[in-house]
Amino acid sequence: EAGVTQSPTHLIKTRGQQATLRCSPISGHTSVYWYQQALGLGLQFLLWYDEGEERNRGNFPPRFSGRQFPNYSSELNVNALELEDSALYLCASSADRDYGYTFGSGTRLTVV
Amino acid sequence: KNEVEQSPQNLTAQEGEFITINCSYSVGISALHWLQQHPGGGIVSLFMLSSGKKKHGRLIATINIQEKHSSLHITASHPRDSAVYICAVLPYSGGGADGLTFGKGTHLIIQP
Repeated sequence: EAGVTQSPTHLIKTRGQQATLRCSPISGHTSVYWYQQALGLGLQFLLWYDEGEERNRGNFPPRFSGRQFPNYSSELNVNALELEDSALYLCASSADRDYGYTFGSGTRLTVV
Repeated sequence: KNEVEQSPQNLTAQEGEFITINCSYSVGISALHWLQQHPGGGIVSLFMLSSGKKKHGRLIATINIQEKHSSLHITASHPRDSAVYICAVLPYSGGGADGLTFGKGTHLIIQP
């Protein structure tokens, strides 16, 4: 069974640009979660999508947005990139959060 | 505000030693996760606990809901156990939804 896949692995963008990160959940998982891990900081909850709807978001500005497609894959978009957006972005999927999460390997975004 | 505190922040031990990593949290939770993050960023979910104790190979996780405390133990530690171990809790949401709240992680190095 394929795990949670994220693309790209690495992404370098210039300040002010937009970044798009992608996540494909495990087959059968309908929920996708996005997390940010900035250097020296712990993981922070960003967004939760389930059945195509945004269910909740963490304490991040509106320029962090995303969507979930009918096949349950998801995109995270970060607009007007700032230097402090440089981080590892992790995606996780679950069929039911009571049964745990499976994490992807992450996309490392560098803003220069 | 939910706080998740881990101790120690850094731990260096010799191969074969018994390792204990602690996690304390401040709010009611529906589940607690122990995660392992290797260099490069990929995260593996080790355990999800809501009560009692779980064991997988040389890893043991315990939780005391009343004391809001969990421990991760590694028996007969090995250099391949070197990683960052992260505690994460899923708060009760009262019908809403929250993502995980993470501790800052414990950086474990096992020396041969």
